[in-house]
Amino acid sequence: SQTIHQWPATLVQPVGSPLSLECTVEGTSNPNLYWYRQAAGRGLQLLFYSIGIDQISSEVPQNLSASRPQDRQFILSSKKLLLSDSGFYLCAWSPDRLGEKLFFGSGTQLSVL
Amino acid sequence: GEDVEQSLFLSVREGDSSVINCTYTDSSSTYLYWYKQEPGAGLQLLTYIFSNMDMKQDQRLTVLLNKKDKHLSLRIADTQTGDSAIYFCAETILTGGGNKLTFGTGTQLKVEL
Repeated sequence: SQTIHQWPATLVQPVGSPLSLECTVEGTSNPNLYWYRQAAGRGLQLLFYSIGIDQISSEVPQNLSASRPQDRQFILSSKKLLLSDSGFYLCAWSPDRLGEKLFFGSGTQLSVL
Repeated sequence: GEDVEQSLFLSVREGDSSVINCTYTDSSSTYLYWYKQEPGAGLQLLTYIFSNMDMKQDQRLTVLLNKKDKHLSLRIADTQTGDSAIYFCAETILTGGGNKLTFGTGTQLKVEL
């Protein structure tokens, strides 16, 4: 069966520090991969999605970047965190090209202080 | 998330039915989804409905779709304390890059004894 791993579960970082969140999927090949952010009191916002290695699409301009160095690995990064980057980050995968059924990781609560 | 709207809170008594409502804007949606998020966890796909259906029942869950009014609802029968969570509806949006999910803001369901 397919599983998705996301870590760390919680992270507290100072403003201006770098960020690296990692997500891996097991039990499938060539998944579509997604990074979402959930800000307090708001819905989920799609940040990045990827249909293959080194194929990344950005949905909103921001302080973050994403990379996919391997088929089942998706990394969310920042060189310098801002206070507004605080939130709950969710990695997700879908088994088909249209990305209609998403399966989510357990999330990372990021607090930028 | 501004294209998919939900009420923020719902409180029900244990054993009663819960009805969570959602309105969406894209009439070309192919699938509509309900996700459940328990505290500090990722999202779990609860159920989905194809846009040519009016109703789908899955054990205690009933999904109703009114395409004319672009209204989706989730009914939970015999609500239990374990149903306390945030419930997100989502629709697929056609874009130049394919289909992507757009989520509502989520409805916090509180089940009281």
